[in-house]
Amino acid sequence: EAGVVQSPRYKIIEKKQPVAFWCNPISGHNTLYWYLQNLGQGPELLIRYENEEAVDDSQLPKDRFSAERLKGVDSTLKIQPAELGDSAVYLCASSDRLNTEAFFGQGTRLTVV
Amino acid sequence: QKEVEQNSGPLSVPEGAIASLNCTYSDRVSQSFFWYRQYSGKSPELIMSIYSNGDKEDGRFTAQLNKASQYVSLLIRDSQPSDSATYLCAVKANAGKSTFGDGTTLTVKP
Repeated sequence: EAGVVQSPRYKIIEKKQPVAFWCNPISGHNTLYWYLQNLGQGPELLIRYENEEAVDDSQLPKDRFSAERLKGVDSTLKIQPAELGDSAVYLCASSDRLNTEAFFGQGTRLTVV
Repeated sequence: QKEVEQNSGPLSVPEGAIASLNCTYSDRVSQSFFWYRQYSGKSPELIMSIYSNGDKEDGRFTAQLNKASQYVSLLIRDSQPSDSATYLCAVKANAGKSTFGDGTTLTVKP
């Protein structure tokens, strides 16, 4: 069974430019998460989807971040415009039920210069 | 105060010893508890989940949960150098919100 797939693995952009990340969850997993992880810290939830509905986006900086999960499968996370402080690892995870374990993709390491 | 607290470490143990990792959480309605291992430059990998009070064993790993004390721990027996990593504690409430601690860095010395 394929795991959570993310792309790209690495991205370097100049500040004020847009950037997008893509995630394909494990087949059949209805719950999808986007996390941000800074060095030396644990993952912080940005947004959680149940199927195509964003059920928790309270930590998503909506002035510059947006996300979508069309058809309840793949998801994209976008930043526009990017700031220096957005440099971090962006992790996507999925789970098959509400309170079960989440499985992570390999992450996208974003560097904003 | 963070919702999930872990000692940042580093925790250093000799090869073959028992490593004990601790985690406390503040949300009393938390129902699901997870331990993830994260190697440097890699993404978190699930190693244990526990849902009810008591101990749960899986190979060299034992997770312990005490909901009354709001405490969950991970014991690693016969520690190996390959166990050297950061261990993340994650806690989920019924609403599905998942919160991670900042992790404890473990070093197992040969």
